Amino acid sequence: EVQLVESGGGLVQPGGSLRLSCAASGFTFSNYWMTWVRQAPGKGLEWVANINQRTSGSEKYYVASVKGRFTISRDNAKNTLSLEMNSLRDEDTAVYFCARWPGWPSACDVWGQGTVVTVSS
Amino acid sequence: DIQMTQSPSTLSASVGDRVTITCRASQSISTWLAWYQQKPGQAPKLLIYATSSLDRGVPSRFSGSGSGTEFTLTISSLQPDDFASYYCQHYGDYSTWTFGQGTKVEVK
Repeated sequence: EVQLVESGGGLVQPGGSLRLSCAASGFTFSNYWMTWVRQAPGKGLEWVANINQRTSGSEKYYVASVKGRFTISRDNAKNTLSLEMNSLRDEDTAVYFCARWPGWPSACDVWGQGTVVTVSS
Repeated sequence: DIQMTQSPSTLSASVGDRVTITCRASQSISTWLAWYQQKPGQAPKLLIYATSSLDRGVPSRFSGSGSGTEFTLTISSLQPDDFASYYCQHYGDYSTWTFGQGTKVEVK
C-alpha cells in the first residue's frame, strides 16, 4: 500500500524548534519530488516547501514566510522526508501534510494524514 | 507571485444539483491547475490535474476546464459524499505553488 506517515508534531514555544518527519512506503521514494503543505486552524491550504528527487535534495524551494527558518531535506536510503523548523512563530501553528509529486502533468497524488504543530507560550 | 482566487467561498446545494466552482489566476497561467477535495479532519484528495484530467478512481461526475486566467470545477450531479471543501492549486513552477482559498460545499 502506498503510504505517507508524518510524525514529530507537538506543542512548542515561540522561538523554539521542531523537526517533522514523513515516512514513505509502498513506492519508489527516490522517483518523486516531495512537498510540505500546511493548514492553519479553520483556514485553507498553504504550500510550504518542495524538494527534488535526488538524495542530496539539490533543489529546495520555500514559501517566503518560512525562508531562512525552515529546511526541507530527504534521505532516500531511509525513505524519509523531513522538515526542520526553527524560530517558530504563532502563525506557524497548523496541521502539516507531506505529499508526493510525480512531476508534470500530475499534481500531488498521495498525502499523509498530517501532524499538528502548535506554537504557543 | 501569482494569486489564485476561488469563488464562491461557500456554496449551498442539494443532492442532484449541478455545482460549479471557479478559480481565477491573477495572470495567465499554464494548464498546470489541479483541484483537491478535503473533508474535515482528513488530508486533501487529488481530483483533477492538468486542468481537466481525472485522477484514478475519481467519479466521472467531476470535471475540470479552463484556460488563461479562469478555471472551473464542475460536479454534474452532487452526491452526499461530495459535501466537502475544494481547493484549486497552480503548480506550473516547482519553485512556488499557490492554492486558492477554498470553497466549502454545504447542504442547502
